[in-house]
Amino acid sequence: GDSVTQMEGPVTLSEEAFLTINCTYTATGYPSLFWYVQYPGEGLQLLLKATKADDKGSNKGFEATYRKETTSFHLEKGSVQVSDSAVYFCALSDPYTGANSKLTFGKGITLSVRP
Amino acid sequence: DADVTQTPRNRITKTGKRIMLECSQTKGHDRMYWYRQDPGLGLRLIYYSFDVKDINKGEISDGYSVSRQAQAKFSLSLESAIPNQTALYFCATSDLQQGADTQYFGPGTRLTVL
Repeated sequence: GDSVTQMEGPVTLSEEAFLTINCTYTATGYPSLFWYVQYPGEGLQLLLKATKADDKGSNKGFEATYRKETTSFHLEKGSVQVSDSAVYFCALSDPYTGANSKLTFGKGITLSVRP
Repeated sequence: DADVTQTPRNRITKTGKRIMLECSQTKGHDRMYWYRQDPGLGLRLIYYSFDVKDINKGEISDGYSVSRQAQAKFSLSLESAIPNQTALYFCATSDLQQGADTQYFGPGTRLTVL
């Protein structure tokens, strides 16, 4: 079945540091890939997505590129801010399952950014 | 006003009690979902509904039931709560046209079963 693997956390960085959060996936077909973010005390919200190989999703300074050859969708940001402190979830939607597609989430990783 | 609301936001109950968590949405979406979040386990799908007449089990439906009272309302029930159902519960919605691709989450309900 489909699965998403995220690097172990938590991650603690200083403000303005470079961020990479690794995500790899296993899917039957060619899935769509997502990063969701959960700020403290809130529900998840979509951060960015990519629907086909070599696509780059971007939002709020975050980027992730859909790498079919390595089945990866790593999240990057060049300079993190304290306000980026949150839990980040990688997820996929497998179109092989057609209209009944659902999201499969990774376990999430907590990012803390120090001033 | 929030597009996806959940009530209650926090609940403490005892083993064996019946609990209902409610979700309402004003987004006009057909699809609604219930997840639970546990530390180190991420989000796991409990039940989902693609329209009012459609209810489907997710990966961890045992011990839970749902009711889709209207397009805008999707309730999750624990018939006889047990301590390992202590978790953060999220409701989510998505648009039929987008499928599961973009889901909109409520703020969550923190449930503690003693």
